[in-house]
Amino acid sequence: NAGVTQTPKFRVLKTGQSMTLLCAQDMNHEYMYWYRQDPGMGLRLIHYSVGEGTTAKGEVPDGYNVSRLKKQNFLLGLESAAPSQTSVYFCASTSTGFRETQYFGPGTRLLVL
Amino acid sequence: SQQGEEDPQALSIQEGENATMNCSYKTSINNLQWYRQNSGRGLVHLILIRSNEREKHSGRLRVTLDTSKKSSSLLITASRAADTASYFCATDAKGGAQKLVFGQGTRLTINP
Repeated sequence: NAGVTQTPKFRVLKTGQSMTLLCAQDMNHEYMYWYRQDPGMGLRLIHYSVGEGTTAKGEVPDGYNVSRLKKQNFLLGLESAAPSQTSVYFCASTSTGFRETQYFGPGTRLLVL
Repeated sequence: SQQGEEDPQALSIQEGENATMNCSYKTSINNLQWYRQNSGRGLVHLILIRSNEREKHSGRLRVTLDTSKKSSSLLITASRAADTASYFCATDAKGGAQKLVFGQGTRLTINP
């Protein structure tokens, strides 16, 4: 049981390049989330999904797109990377029910030059 | 904008002492959660307290919640070097989808 995994662990992009971050969970969780964490800050929600085929915007969605084609996977895309998107990206998942906690992946460190 | 504000931003204590961190938030919540983050790692859930609870314990952790003041505190007793980490409070606001809003965190350093 791997929990929540993220690939890649680290990536360097040039401004304007595109990339996709992959999140996978093997806990059969319905809900999945993408967050970003900037230095010295807490996490901010980018997009989330409440089930296969659904996505919704979080607090800071601009410049990102997401897809949830399979229940276990949640993809985060950057179409045209900008230096302001330099951050650490975390994926999380949880079961339904308001008492449930979120399980986090190890993070993807992204540097946009 | 982040809902939670944590105080202090940084805390340094001696091993064996108790550490207290505070969190304030703005809107009505379903629950409040505390997470730990070791440097460069993902977040690990510590404890969840529901909106109708006032205090909860888990091992050396004690969490209180005051919904009238929209505040919570996390107490770590008998601190250990391994407790060195950043601690974040996160609120699950009413409205569904269990979207968490995180505070900026408290950086805790335990000196041996």
